[in-house]
Amino acid sequence: NAGVTQTPKFRVLKTGQSMTLLCAQDMNHEYMYWYRQDPGMGLRLIHYSVGEGTTAKGEVPDGYNVSRLKKQNFLLGLESAAPSQTSVYFCASSLLAGDVGELFFGEGSRLTVL
Amino acid sequence: GQNIDQPTEMTATEGAIVQINCTYQTSGFNGLFWYQQHAGEAPTFLSYNVLDGLEEKGRFSSFLSRSKGYSYLLLKELQMKDSASYLCAGMDSNYQLIWGAGTKLIIKP
Repeated sequence: NAGVTQTPKFRVLKTGQSMTLLCAQDMNHEYMYWYRQDPGMGLRLIHYSVGEGTTAKGEVPDGYNVSRLKKQNFLLGLESAAPSQTSVYFCASSLLAGDVGELFFGEGSRLTVL
Repeated sequence: GQNIDQPTEMTATEGAIVQINCTYQTSGFNGLFWYQQHAGEAPTFLSYNVLDGLEEKGRFSSFLSRSKGYSYLLLKELQMKDSASYLCAGMDSNYQLIWGAGTKLIIKP
């Protein structure tokens, strides 16, 4: 009963390096999201997807790209990491449009950019 | 603009009752959510209110007043495991969630 799984859990990057965070869900959910969580701030939506093959920008999309080639996977890419992208990243999923509020979160990926 | 306000930190005693308040301003309104997040872990869903009134779920209850843009989460019979951050989130007319920064609840024996 995995739910939402994120990899990797921890990563340290140097400025300018690239990386991809992988999110996988086994609940057959249509909607998937990438959030970042920073101290003293609420969760901020980076990108989201309403179904396989579709993506959309959230509140803070700059510096990130995403892809949803398969329904169960949602990838978040950083092409050229910056220290401002040091954060905890959470992937989440939800079943349908009417249920978008009840999100199921992954355990988080802690990224440090030096 | 859209905004969610909640206290940064609260302290309560084991066995007691605590109320965590949340005020919201969203463009349109499609519901108010509460999530629990233990340190270093993922948020987990607690409650959803879209109509005025109190929703009770075991030791946890959530209240909503749409006219006042106000909600609270009520935790009864506090246990040490309730030490966590509690996140308030409002859903706007586009079904986007606007999140508060969270209230860190510290439970003392």
